[in-house]
Amino acid sequence: GDSVTQMEGPVTLSEEAFLTINCTYTATGYPSLFWYVQYPGEGLQLLLKATKADDKGSNKGFEATYRKETTSFHLEKGSVQVSDSAVYFCALSERATSGTYKYIFGTGTRLKVLA
Amino acid sequence: EAQVTQNPRYLITVTGKKLTVTCSQNMNHEYMSWYRQDPGLGLRQIYYSMNVEATDKGDVPEGYKVSRKEKRNFPLILESPSPNQTSLYFCASSLGYYNSPLHFGNGTRLTVT
Repeated sequence: GDSVTQMEGPVTLSEEAFLTINCTYTATGYPSLFWYVQYPGEGLQLLLKATKADDKGSNKGFEATYRKETTSFHLEKGSVQVSDSAVYFCALSERATSGTYKYIFGTGTRLKVLA
Repeated sequence: EAQVTQNPRYLITVTGKKLTVTCSQNMNHEYMSWYRQDPGLGLRQIYYSMNVEATDKGDVPEGYKVSRKEKRNFPLILESPSPNQTSLYFCASSLGYYNSPLHFGNGTRLTVT
């Protein structure tokens, strides 16, 4: 079945460091891909998305490119801030033959940024 | 303000005592879903609904019920809660297209003793 695998955390970085969080997926068709962020005590918020191969999603300095050939959607940011400390989830959604669709999430990667 | 509202935020109960967690969205979304979040397991889908009166099981539906009588509401019912249902629960909604992002509520932390 479809699945999403992301790197285990926690990831600890100093402020202004470069961030990469790896995400790979398996899917039978052509999924849409998402990154969500969860701040302490809150629900998940959409960070960025990409709906087809080679699309680049970007928001708040974060970006990720939909790579069909490597089935990956790695999250990057050039210079992290303390306020980026959160849990990041990679996810996909795909339409089933029945017409329904499903969202599948990775297990989340906790990022801690030190001042 | 567009939002998904869950209540209560925190709930402590005892084994076997029926409870309902409410979820309401004000975005006229077709799709609604419930997830539970457990350490090391990420988010797992409990039930989802594509539209009014259309609900279906997710990956971990055992011990839960849902209903969708109105478009905006999607309550989660635990008829006889057990300690293994202690978790953080999230309701989410989306427009109804497979590439539409989910909008999440702030979560309900449930403890069953």
